[in-house]
Amino acid sequence: GAGVSQTPSNKVTEKGKYVELRCDPISGHTALYWYRQSLGQGPEFLIYFQGTGAADDSGLPNDRFFAVRPEGSVSTLKIQRTERGDSAVYLCASSLKGGSTDTQYFGPGTRLTVL
Amino acid sequence: KNQVEQSPQSLIILEGKNCTLQCNYTVSPFSNLRWYKQDTGRGPVSLTIMTFSENTKSNGRYTATLDADTKQSSLHITASQLSDSASYICVVSPSNDYKLSFGAGTTVTVRA
Repeated sequence: GAGVSQTPSNKVTEKGKYVELRCDPISGHTALYWYRQSLGQGPEFLIYFQGTGAADDSGLPNDRFFAVRPEGSVSTLKIQRTERGDSAVYLCASSLKGGSTDTQYFGPGTRLTVL
Repeated sequence: KNQVEQSPQSLIILEGKNCTLQCNYTVSPFSNLRWYKQDTGRGPVSLTIMTFSENTKSNGRYTATLDADTKQSSLHITASQLSDSASYICVVSPSNDYKLSFGAGTTVTVRA
């Protein structure tokens, strides 16, 4: 596609449930990033993929959060036993190679609401 | 403590007027600084990028400045339009690292 796409755009779930958030990066981009953005704040880094592997998952808040990118393209962020504090906008970004000079292109985000 | 601080937190301006947003950072070593525009419900979109050797960069009615010595940047919006209403985020890239440091953003509201 022309840009980074994310589905769903909105997700409402109940506390304790499991959710999956999907990201389709720009074709050919090897680097993929997940961020979490709370209201009135800048995005907070969660995890960085280079190809199929998670090069850095230091931003994942706890072991309820997990992400995969099995074929080096689409990525799924998985949250188990959701809590109300997980409510936020989850942004995905991709860049051509990764690195400090690469421009990261962001998707529109998935707004997650945990009731 | 956040390594990127933006001010003001929000501002309201009349259509056609100019405004300037500020960004102070402590990220070091420093590779580049970007200003992103984030419309409500959308992902951030890059407006400008500057390396430490660049003092100014323009993109249409948006002009960014950078003083790498004082670690300050500004984004000036000229002749504002209603479509400029958005959050503007200052993002700093450290050298040799993919991890970006984000400011909290300045929310700009342009009124007719």
